[in-house]
Amino acid sequence: QSALTQPRSVSGSPGQSVTVSCTGTSSDVGTYNYVSWYQQHPGKAPKLMIYDVSKRPSGVPDRFSGSKSGNTASLTISGLQAEDEADYYCCSYAGSYTYVVFGGGTKLTVL
Amino acid sequence: EVQLVESGGGLVQPGGSLRLSCAASGFTFSSYWMYWVRQAPGKGLVWVSRINSDGSSTTYADSVKGRFTISRDNAKNTLYLQMNSLRAEDTAVYYCARDLAVAGASFDYWGQGTLVTVSS
Repeated sequence: QSALTQPRSVSGSPGQSVTVSCTGTSSDVGTYNYVSWYQQHPGKAPKLMIYDVSKRPSGVPDRFSGSKSGNTASLTISGLQAEDEADYYCCSYAGSYTYVVFGGGTKLTVL
Repeated sequence: EVQLVESGGGLVQPGGSLRLSCAASGFTFSSYWMYWVRQAPGKGLVWVSRINSDGSSTTYADSVKGRFTISRDNAKNTLYLQMNSLRAEDTAVYYCARDLAVAGASFDYWGQGTLVTVSS
């Protein structure tokens, strides 16, 4: 069982918006603004899409956005494109002992 | 261009040892915290270990504590993971990753991964 809870799958049609949720606890997501999101295509290394809850690294399209409310973080992808089909993982800092926790991953299907 | 290149994976028997390496280039390696993250076949990402920029502080996931040791050689721009007493459940692709900012646990660059298979 993963430390952060994500839906196993989400789907949307091209041009639509989808949101992936990531539920943690007051020991991780709820306390720290160090939530990040990663995109992983099959056989590839993960790619950072969002960090510090809502910041986008250079080169990541502004179709990708992040937010947080309480113990739940969210990744929203607007204007879905075929190349967005991938697995998405959330991640949070969880203090000096547990340190880092990942979600179990969400498979995004673009219909 | 930032590059992280892992090596050292392979097939090992239960109870055996392996040392993974991660060669870094294209950035000032000694300024960044580094991490190891693993992914079992068909499964999700799991944090394994982290080390601060000068190697003086390390942290481990409970599942590997006492068996794995993370280290770095800043003169050689290389990160290591010494894995002892390996178990079947350690079978995974092991990635090294760079922390975007000190202690932020956000990984902006990843290696391509190296596969470790623990089996008799």
